[in-house]
Amino acid sequence: EAGVVQSPRYKIIEKKQPVAFWCNPISGHNTLYWYLQNLGQGPELLIRYENEEAVDDSQLPKDRFSAERLKGVDSTLKIQPAELGDSAVYLCASSLGRTGTDTQYFGPGTRLTVL
Amino acid sequence: GDSVTQMEGPVTLSEEAFLTINCTYTATGYPSLFWYVQYPGEGLQLLLKATKADDKGSNKGFEATYRKETTSFHLEKGSVQVSDSAVYFCALSSGNTPLVFGKGTRFSVIA
Repeated sequence: EAGVVQSPRYKIIEKKQPVAFWCNPISGHNTLYWYLQNLGQGPELLIRYENEEAVDDSQLPKDRFSAERLKGVDSTLKIQPAELGDSAVYLCASSLGRTGTDTQYFGPGTRLTVL
Repeated sequence: GDSVTQMEGPVTLSEEAFLTINCTYTATGYPSLFWYVQYPGEGLQLLLKATKADDKGSNKGFEATYRKETTSFHLEKGSVQVSDSAVYFCALSSGNTPLVFGKGTRFSVIA
């Protein structure tokens, strides 16, 4: 069974440019997460979807970040415009259910460098 | 809010040594506890988990016991191998809340 797929794996852009990340969760997983991982830190949740509904986006900087999960499957996370401080790894994860005991499966992440 | 504190790395051991990575937590209610591992160049993988007090999670020779009285979930392995070199993250989740991770502990094994 395929795991969580993310693309691109690496992205280098100049500040003020837009950037988008794509995630395809494990088939059948209703819950999808986007996390931000800064260097030397653990992942921090940006947004959580249950099907196509964003149920927790309190940590998403809405002035520049946006996300969507059309049809409750694939998801896209966008930053516009990017700032130097956005350099980090962006992780996507999915789980079958939404409770704390459900295992989250992570993709390999997208490493963003903003110059 | 909920939080996880784990020992700072890096930790370096020789092959066949005993490993302990400490993890303590602060949470309301009764969280589930997890250890995730990130091998070089790969995504996070669930290593083991425990969902209630005194549960022991185990996988690949690693073990961790949910200790409610000390709010701890220390990771242990009796004999480490070079292939165990990775970054290890302790995490918790309470009810429907998302995972809260520690900062991670980088662990290396030398042959």
